[in-house]
Amino acid sequence: GAGVSQSPRYKVAKRGQDVALRCDPISGHVSLFWYQQALGQGPEFLTYFQNEAQLDKSGLPSDRFFAERPEGSVSTLKIQRTQQEDSAVYLCASSLGLASSYNEQFFGPGTRLTVL
Amino acid sequence: AQRVTQPEKLLSVFKGAPVELKCNYSYSGSPELFWYVQYSRQRLQLLLRHISRESIKGFTADLNKGETSFHLKKPFAQEEDSAMYYCALRGVEYGNKLVFGAGTILRVKS
Repeated sequence: GAGVSQSPRYKVAKRGQDVALRCDPISGHVSLFWYQQALGQGPEFLTYFQNEAQLDKSGLPSDRFFAERPEGSVSTLKIQRTQQEDSAVYLCASSLGLASSYNEQFFGPGTRLTVL
Repeated sequence: AQRVTQPEKLLSVFKGAPVELKCNYSYSGSPELFWYVQYSRQRLQLLLRHISRESIKGFTADLNKGETSFHLKKPFAQEEDSAMYYCALRGVEYGNKLVFGAGTILRVKS
């Protein structure tokens, strides 16, 4: 009965380091989203998966950002050669069916990434 | 392009006073609008969506296509309403992503 979980909850990285952020969606949820939330801003869309297929990656800010969901459940967002502007809260959300307004997106607690 | 504007960073009202959190959007097609809420130390959660035409915790929101607005209203604020509120839009033509506004902090004083 747990909701969406994310790990780690906090991550401090030195500039240039690679990081990997994990999302465990609600069991059985088909759709999975990643959002980036900078300080004082609303969440901004990064990418969307339907099962294991990445159907939309239009929000990924650069080729340093990569996301995968190989078995259609757990997803990992990887950021290579982190920069200070990558500092943000990274939110994961999942929904039961195909993404539509009838399928509520349930959000995880987020991972707060700080790049020094 | 899709854009959501919440003009107020902070709205402070007294308990029992009416509340209106403003949301304006820019979108050329038929939008789907949502309000999300984040209480202190909790995760983001859906409050209501325009297609359901529902009232949740006393809050309502009406989509006004002429004014491109989706303001959130409650006639009598309660202290437990204090939270961050985000307006969000989903444009079918732009896929499944939600576009969020910057959010408004609602502070209800006793």
